[in-house]
Amino acid sequence: DSGVTQTPKHLITATGQRVTLRCSPRSGDLSVYWYQQSLDQGLQFLIQYYNGEERAKGNILERFSAQQFPDLHSELNLSSLELGDSALYFCASSVTSGGAEETQYFGPGTRLLVL
Amino acid sequence: AQSVTQLGSHVSVSEGALVLLRCNYSSSVPPYLFWYVQYPNQGLQLLLKYTSAATLVKGINGFEAEFKKSETSFHLTKPSAHMSDAAEYFCAVSGDGGYQKVTFGIGTKLQVIP
Repeated sequence: DSGVTQTPKHLITATGQRVTLRCSPRSGDLSVYWYQQSLDQGLQFLIQYYNGEERAKGNILERFSAQQFPDLHSELNLSSLELGDSALYFCASSVTSGGAEETQYFGPGTRLLVL
Repeated sequence: AQSVTQLGSHVSVSEGALVLLRCNYSSSVPPYLFWYVQYPNQGLQLLLKYTSAATLVKGINGFEAEFKKSETSFHLTKPSAHMSDAAEYFCAVSGDGGYQKVTFGIGTKLQVIP
């Protein structure tokens, strides 16, 4: 158990809908990262938040957004869902801003299926 | 620009045999390199990382990897495969060392045959 929790574990929804994925980092970790793992694109970094502020953006679509709350949990919002958004969405956390000297811990993921 | 190539999307080894998972990287700056493991229905776990210190990096679960600049390689090895090693393994590169700049390979599924 990495200490990073994600809810829900599975999500099935329809095209055009909006969903929210939630992530709670390890206690004391200030950074939260979101990744998408799909058959087409493999593993991709989406976005990072550090202590409530957006720190870095990767290949995140405009239909997707995220935020980190004062208690440091994070939510990833996916809207106007398309079939191609079906994927495993991972959250990870680290103590500070994410240099390679740190260790990053991954949650178990949320599996999203868009029908 | 940076990229990672993992040779072999599926690798099978017998229990007790050597595990060798290949990774070649491309980076315009000195790279940081990572190997992750993903067990079925679980998230990723960092096995080991190269951060420009020792070229031979030892990780968890008996795995190690050697950074070879001349070959632009960072192959993952384990002397003796165990059934519990069956998983998917991802090699990744980051040009500036940050996790947010990591580029992942496509993954190699390791099957261990009893």
